[in-house]
This record gives sequence, structure tokens and C-alpha cells, in this order.
Amino acid sequence: EDKVVQSPLSLVVHEGDTVTLNCSYEVTNFRSLLWYKQEKKAPTFLFMLTSSGIEKKSGRLSSILDKKELFSILNITATQTGDSAIYLCAGHYIGGSNYKLTFGKGTLLTVNP
Amino acid sequence: DVKVTQSSRYLVKRTGEKVFLECVQDMDHENMFWYRQDPGLGLRLIYFSYDVKMKEKGDIPEGYSVSREKKERFSLILESASTNQTSMYLCASSSSYEQYFGPGTRLTVT
Repeated sequence: EDKVVQSPLSLVVHEGDTVTLNCSYEVTNFRSLLWYKQEKKAPTFLFMLTSSGIEKKSGRLSSILDKKELFSILNITATQTGDSAIYLCAGHYIGGSNYKLTFGKGTLLTVNP
Repeated sequence: DVKVTQSSRYLVKRTGEKVFLECVQDMDHENMFWYRQDPGLGLRLIYFSYDVKMKEKGDIPEGYSVSREKKERFSLILESASTNQTSMYLCASSSSYEQYFGPGTRLTVT
């Protein structure tokens, strides 16, 4: 069973729409959750969330963690074509080696003009 | 700025060949990782290393080996390439939770 599950797997919207991407995770030994954006090549870091209920924000992107319901959401408001990318969610779990991440399968977001 | 570089962007190899993928980081990070990324399967961890000469298997190590002789360099080795190893290979490094990724190597095995 997957530790980190993202939904939807793909999404097509029009410029200006607001989107919400979901990430649920397994609770055992959970430490923190990270979001990455991947355009044509290397994933780039967006947010790390450790505490429940505290929103992280960067421009039109925001994210929050709900440790009771075991999920995180990534919101993008007023989407632009440049937001088209794969959005990856990853969980960091205590135990084993430090700093190893478990990634979800990603959400492919396409923003049409 | 952290820089992670990979030796090739695109690589085509024949079945049975030995393949070396090289990754170099310039931020003195202790941790380095090799992933493969396939449509519908996401990023899957092959091997990682948390120190020179130290390595640990990830989720899908079969058919791969790694080498870390110097802190800045982490190599992924396909001892005998097979067609099911056709994929995008991503290297990453970190000193904490945030991983920095290289641009990826798209490997095709024919």
C-alpha cells in the first residue's frame, strides 16, 4: 500500500481558475510533508509542512497540513500557463535513514490559455 | 545556489551493456539519492547514500548498484542494461529534508 497518495493524477483547467491538489499520507512515523513542482526537468522545492493548521504561502501558491485527517492540500489561485507542471508530494518518515523521502505519484496539472 | 549536475541528458544503450550515470553536487551535502521516474509510477527511490562509501537500498534496487567514492559524486551503475530500465533517472542531494534535484538523464535501452 502506498504511503503517500496524490489526487487527482491529472487535471486540466483554464487560465484564471483556482485549483486544489490533494495529498494523503500514512501516519506511522510521519514527520513532515514536502511539495515540489516539476516542469520539464528537475523538481524544485515549494513547501515543507510540519505543523498542522499553519498555512505556508508563496505568491499564488499556498499549502496546509491537516494532521488529524492525514492530508495536505496545495492551492493555486489565478492559474497561469506557467503553472503547468507535475506537482509532487513527499512524506518524510522517522526511522531508517535520515532525510529519505517517500514520493506520491504526482498530479499533472495542465493550464490552458 | 545548489547545483546538481548529471553527466548526460539523453543516453541510448543496448541491452546487456554496462551503464554508468554520474551525479555531482557542489554544496557539500552528506546525502545523495538516485530515483527513477516513470509515467503513472511517480518517483521511486533506487539507492541513497548518507556518507562517502555508505549506501542503502531504496525501494527498487534490483538491477542497479551505486558507488560513492567522493562526497560530491554519486554514481548509478546498471550492470547489464535491460529494456525495462528505460526511464528518466533523477539524482538529488540534501543536507536535511529539502532535496535538490539534477536535470535528469533520459535513458533508453534498446
